[in-house]
Amino acid sequence: QVQLQESGPGLVKPSETLSLNCTVSGVSISSGGYYWSWLRQYPGKGPEWIGYIYYTGTTYYSPSLQSRVTISVDTSRNDFSLRVTSVTAADTAVYYCARDQGSGYLTWFDPWGQGILVTVSS
Amino acid sequence: DIQLTQSPSSLSVSVGDRVTITCRASQTVYTYLNWYQQKPGKAPRLLMYATSNLQSGVPSRFSGSGSGTDFTLTISSLQPEDFATYFCQQSQSGFTFGGGTKVE
Repeated sequence: QVQLQESGPGLVKPSETLSLNCTVSGVSISSGGYYWSWLRQYPGKGPEWIGYIYYTGTTYYSPSLQSRVTISVDTSRNDFSLRVTSVTAADTAVYYCARDQGSGYLTWFDPWGQGILVTVSS
Repeated sequence: DIQLTQSPSSLSVSVGDRVTITCRASQTVYTYLNWYQQKPGKAPRLLMYATSNLQSGVPSRFSGSGSGTDFTLTISSLQPEDFATYFCQQSQSGFTFGGGTKVE
């Protein structure tokens, strides 16, 4: 059974960098076949996709966030990470990691981690 | 960006009711449309992929239909565990989600 678990600080100061980690169990990221994504969700809203990474390090980011976002992978630890620079209150959200499934244009997210609330405040 | 508009944003129903949720895309997404269920404090759970394919373990009272810009998620007979918020998601161009429909 594939499981994902987010970890990291729940409080980040404005203008600083948000850093989160997603530990994957039940499958090896380096086995390939899947992309691994970060998403976030504001209260009462639908999730927002941030970006994904493949085990080779290939990444693709949402155009609205790409200037501030970096996703990296560590296959030896079987985890992947998210960095968002220059955060503001608008980055306060629940952050999720998830596995991408599908092929071609068809992509869905399953499973998801439990989510981690990150608050940006001084 | 492709926008997804769900309607209604909320609906009040009773156990045993037939529930229909609509998702409309701002441009065609063909059948690249998925549905999720989310309960308070929990992560979204995949219900349906590629418009009408039931994810493993999801009860058969859930069904999906549509193509192009108009899609529907139907719950044939609502059960107590189905009270939740439902989201649609497209992957035709980037990945975007609808605003959600709360079933209460």
